Parts: sequence; structure tokens; C-alpha cells
Amino acid sequence: AQSVTQPDIHITVSEGASLELRCNYSYGATPYLFWYVQSPGQGLQLLLKYFSGDTLVQGIKGFEAEFKRSQSSFNLRKPSVHWSDAAEYFCAVGPYGYNKLIFGAGTRLAVHP
Amino acid sequence: GAGVSQSPSNKVTEKGKDVELRCDPISGHTALYWYRQSLGQGLEFLIYFQGNSAPDKSGLPSDRFSAERTGGSVSTLTIQRTQQEDSAVYLCASSLQGMDEQYFGPGTRLTVT
Repeated sequence: AQSVTQPDIHITVSEGASLELRCNYSYGATPYLFWYVQSPGQGLQLLLKYFSGDTLVQGIKGFEAEFKRSQSSFNLRKPSVHWSDAAEYFCAVGPYGYNKLIFGAGTRLAVHP
Repeated sequence: GAGVSQSPSNKVTEKGKDVELRCDPISGHTALYWYRQSLGQGLEFLIYFQGNSAPDKSGLPSDRFSAERTGGSVSTLTIQRTQQEDSAVYLCASSLQGMDEQYFGPGTRLTVT
């Protein structure tokens, strides 16, 4: 069965520090991959997506993610975190031919000044 | 342009009552999705519409849940005889077509007392 694992439930970083959020997926082929962010009381906002091609994808708000087929991973990175990045981050996969997203459990990011 | 809208934003209902949740997708989006976000289960897919038909209803948790979409636009998710375990945030998303990126609404927070 398809699944998505986000190993870190909660991460705290200092403002200005770099960030990496981990995501691993289980699927027989390369799925479509997504990162969403959810601020308190808000819906989900798409940060970036990977469908094919260049394995390093750039997203909004200075985020990027790298697809590594050998590790079945799609980790999200940001070189310098801002206080406004505090939110919950969800990795999701859409299996090929997908009509739904399968989400990880989410990683809650706290940013210290 | 306008994003996905959902109403009501909050709904408190007594156990055993029926509720209707509404979703207005982005204009021109043919695909519409419902998800549920709860503390215990995370983000779960409920149902997918392409136009007015629902080729994938696999995520509906019981026969108390139903959904329809009319005119290829507005969708209503109905929960009959609500139970406390139905308390969650119900998120709607739309995409231009199936297999495109999904845009999420702000959600409806349902509380069953």
C-alpha cells in the first residue's frame, strides 16, 4: 500500500538557521510528490511539486525540495528560516494516474527568535 | 481570482443530527476532492469528483457519508446521524483536471457534541 512517512513530528529551529524536513514514501513507481504548508486555522497551501525531470525543485517562499529515487525521499529545505515559516508542513504523494493525495502525518515547525 | 471557498467555516451539531458542508471550487476546475483532517487520523481522502460523477468514493468512512456535485461546480458533503468521531476539519480541494495540482479551501470545522 502507498504510504508517506514524515519522521519528525515537531522541529524547532532558530530564525536564520537552515531547515530540512524529511519525507519518505512507499510506492512501486515514482509518484507525483508535493509539499504543502498549513498555518493555524488555514487551509493547505502548495509549496512545490515534483512530477518529473529535474530532481531539485524550487517552490514558493524560498523553499526547495530534492527527489531522491534511490532513497524514496523528497526532503524539503530552506537555507534561512523566517519566523513566519512557523506552521505545519505536509508531504503528499499522488500515485501515477492519481485522483487523490496521500498525506504524511505532518511536521510542526516552531521558529525561535 | 477567487480560491476554493467552503461554508460554514464552523459547525457545531448535536450527536444524531444531519449536517451539510458546502464547497465552491475554483471556476473552471473540473475535479473536486473532499478530505478530512482529524487529530487521530491525520489528513484522509474521502471522495473525488470529475465533473458531476464520483469515480472514487473509496475514502468515505461509512454509509452515513454522502456527497454530490451539481452543474460541475458546487459540491455538498452530507453526514447523516452524526457521531462524535465525525468531529474534524473537512477540507475541499479542486484542480483543473484530475492529476493536476490541488488547491485547498480553508475547511469547515465540525464539532459533534
